Amino acid sequence: KQEVTQIPAALSVPEGENLVLNCSFTDSAIYNLQWFRQDPGKGLTSLLLIQSSQREQTSGRLNASLDKSSGRSTLYIAASQPGDSATYLCAVKKVQGAQKLVFGQGTRLTINP
Amino acid sequence: NAGVMQNPRHLVRRRGQEARLRCSPMKGHSHVYWYRQLPEEGLKFMVYLQKENIIDESGMPKERFSAEFPKEGPSILRIQQVVRGDSAAYFCASSPSGGSDTQYFGPGTRLTVL
Repeated sequence: KQEVTQIPAALSVPEGENLVLNCSFTDSAIYNLQWFRQDPGKGLTSLLLIQSSQREQTSGRLNASLDKSSGRSTLYIAASQPGDSATYLCAVKKVQGAQKLVFGQGTRLTINP
Repeated sequence: NAGVMQNPRHLVRRRGQEARLRCSPMKGHSHVYWYRQLPEEGLKFMVYLQKENIIDESGMPKERFSAEFPKEGPSILRIQQVVRGDSAAYFCASSPSGGSDTQYFGPGTRLTVL
């Protein structure tokens, strides 16, 4: 059974800092991994999707890496801004079988001005 | 092109009542997924549907919960005889197909059971 863990559960940093969010998964047989952002009371916004054959994806100040063999992914946020404050979720999709996403519990990020 | 739409956004029910949650997928999407987010927990998969078919309901509770995606109209998640433990945010996602496509999420319906 695939399990996804995100550490830390919460993180608070001053504006301008670079930071890393971690995601680990127990079954390395994944099809892809996706990072989402969730604002309070809102839905999910997809940030980056990494296919299993890829090592990283970049979008603006965000960079996501994937090490499938060790079951890890990181989301790097450069030059953090107060608007980056949100909960960040990672989710994996299995290679075969169900099309469901398996989510971690998220990291609640606060950027202090 | 409107995104995934869910209504109502907020729903309050008393114990024992029925809750009906609706999801309209993005235009051109024929695959719908329902997820539940309990307080302080991550999203958990409930059910995956295509038009008129339930493909995977491995995450659905065995009793009181049902889902449909008719040929016409939105997908419906129905919860009968709600209990306080059903209070959660219910999210719907859609995709054009069931392959490697990204799932696009709606804003969610927040169900509160009194």
